[in-house]
Amino acid sequence: VLTQSPGTLSLSPGERATLSCRASESVYINFLAWYQQKPGQAPRLLIYGASSRASGIPDRFSGSGSGTDFTLTITRLEPEDFALYYCHQYGNSPQTFGQGTRVEIK
Amino acid sequence: EVQLVESGGGLVQPGGSLRLSCAASGFTFDDYAIHWVRQTPGKGLEWVAGISWNGDSRGYADSMRGRFTISRDNAKNSLYLQMNSLRVEDTAVYYCAKVPSPYCSGTNCFGVFFDFWGQGTLVTVSS
Repeated sequence: VLTQSPGTLSLSPGERATLSCRASESVYINFLAWYQQKPGQAPRLLIYGASSRASGIPDRFSGSGSGTDFTLTITRLEPEDFALYYCHQYGNSPQTFGQGTRVEIK
Repeated sequence: EVQLVESGGGLVQPGGSLRLSCAASGFTFDDYAIHWVRQTPGKGLEWVAGISWNGDSRGYADSMRGRFTISRDNAKNSLYLQMNSLRVEDTAVYYCAKVPSPYCSGTNCFGVFFDFWGQGTLVTVSS
């Protein structure tokens, strides 16, 4: 089970966002990904392998963590970053997703 | 540009069947495994099924095994999901999602993240 916190993060553009994803058991080889989803759109891959940025993803997005505790950090929020964010562990069977963190404009 | 376009969703009664399709373009389809993932307001994102590049290896989530069948036609660059014995709880948006690997590992096709997703097709199971 993946538990994301907080459920909602209310921040202003330019602020730093820190999203947490905690696994109920250690994620094999830190096989953890983060996705961004905007209303009516498909999820978009941001981070894989806990800390590797996907192609075309701005460097204000970074991932960290290992074992059971992982973090997605957005250093300076841009208007287009207000969205839903999901973590996904693909190292253990069955692969599972967190319930999501909504980053909203304060 | 990678494109995945799902179709075939709609309204179906409990116990009924539906076949979803996903048309792929912008990449060499038969170089990669590909999956179905669904999303509901209540349960969020849930992996459904995956299939290897050549169709020899397939995996299913426990609650779908025996009811859903994933298949692909590499000549048509297409992925399919045959859904039988549908339940109200199968109501969801169904996405096809590509992975950056040709393989499907284990009975649950785990070990790889999803690098591209389609826009999804809505399946509603209701009487």
